[in-house]
Amino acid sequence: QVQLVQSGAAVKKPGASAKISCKTSGYKFTIYGVNWLRQAPGQAPEWLGWISGYNGYKSVAQKFEDRVTLTTDTSTSTAYMEVGSLTSDDTAIYYCARDDGDSRSSGIFDYWGQGTLITVSS
Amino acid sequence: DIQMTQSPSSLSASVGDRVTITCRASQSISSKLNWYQQKPGKAPKLLIYSAVHLQRGVPSRFSGSGSGTDFTLTITSLQPEDFATYYCQESDSFSLFIFGGGTKVESK
Repeated sequence: QVQLVQSGAAVKKPGASAKISCKTSGYKFTIYGVNWLRQAPGQAPEWLGWISGYNGYKSVAQKFEDRVTLTTDTSTSTAYMEVGSLTSDDTAIYYCARDDGDSRSSGIFDYWGQGTLITVSS
Repeated sequence: DIQMTQSPSSLSASVGDRVTITCRASQSISSKLNWYQQKPGKAPKLLIYSAVHLQRGVPSRFSGSGSGTDFTLTITSLQPEDFATYYCQESDSFSLFIFGGGTKVESK
């Protein structure tokens, strides 16, 4: 069965970076994309970016372009997201989610990871 | 940017009730509208994609309708496991994928 398993929760200080992994299984990694979203407490999810499992092509939401880095390791079917210059506003649960887009995200997120809580606090 | 407005923000219903949630886009998004269910402490779950298509494994009591700017999610006979928060999300913008504010379905 399709699974996306994310790395564990972390507490970061303001100005630091956080790197989250999303290990996939149960499907062919290279014919799907991986999206990253976040959800602050009591808020709706917010899309951060997408990376192709096929060729590493990526797109990142404009407001995060300068501090979100997306990568993949096709040998382990794992996607990674690093968020830099963290502030308290970045405290949220971060999710990876699969889609079937090729050159860009389809925007239809059919399988999700369990979420990773990133808390930014001094 | 596209704005997605859901109504109501919350509702109280009983098991067996018919529940309708609406979602309005600030501009036409054709049929590029998806619905998700989220339970506390869990990731969102895709229910309906492209406005009307039931995701595999989702019970047939869930249905979606609409196109352009106005969309509806209907649960024909609410079950105990359906108490949750529901989100609409547009997939027309390619680089934003905006979610609505959510509708919390609570037990009356």
